[in-house]
Amino acid sequence: GAVVSQHPSWVICKSGTSVKIECRSLDFQATTMFWYRQFPKQSLMLMATSNEGSKATYEQGVEKDKFLINHASLTLSTLTVTSAHPEDSSFYICSARESGQFYGYTFGSGTRLTVV
Amino acid sequence: AQKITQTQPGMFVQEKEAVTLDCTYDTSDQSYGLFWYKQPSSGEMIFLIYQGSYDEQNATEGRYSLNFQKARKSANLVISASQLGDSAMYFCAMREIYTGFQKLVFGTGTRLLVSP
Repeated sequence: GAVVSQHPSWVICKSGTSVKIECRSLDFQATTMFWYRQFPKQSLMLMATSNEGSKATYEQGVEKDKFLINHASLTLSTLTVTSAHPEDSSFYICSARESGQFYGYTFGSGTRLTVV
Repeated sequence: AQKITQTQPGMFVQEKEAVTLDCTYDTSDQSYGLFWYKQPSSGEMIFLIYQGSYDEQNATEGRYSLNFQKARKSANLVISASQLGDSAMYFCAMREIYTGFQKLVFGTGTRLLVSP
């Protein structure tokens, strides 16, 4: 079946630094990738949607300059949290959809970010 | 705009019993898709079952079945013969068909605890 690899699975960084999270589809071409954020005991909140080769579409209230998304190829999307602060600490999870797949959304295993 | 409502923050069930997790949705679209995902404590999102708005029969996948009542806009998940490994968060989600990206919107989730 379809597999999405997300790295790192966890990261601790200092306040003010930037962190990059990778989401890679291993055995299919992901036309669209989605980035979600999840606070403890809460639901997944969509941050942005990215299509290969075009700018990401951000949800209302999500800071584009803080959460940089790049979908440079059909198998790789990255989320960079710039100038991270403790309030950015959260669980980030990506999802990839293969072109032509009617309901296939494959999720990565998530990244737990802690900013100290 | 669409909305997914899961009114049960937590549910308890004994092993081998059946349990129903509620999900109602609100959409003006005629064509949509409904999903259920399981999220164990590890954080990964595990796809369980899918129901299309035009599907006449309720979806089933092993011990999972979806009780789809279109007129009531409900898509309840039924887990038969619960197992200890079913303890997890369960999310209902809906996909917009006619937006360009077909993003998933999630409900707030239900935490299921299966006791011996």
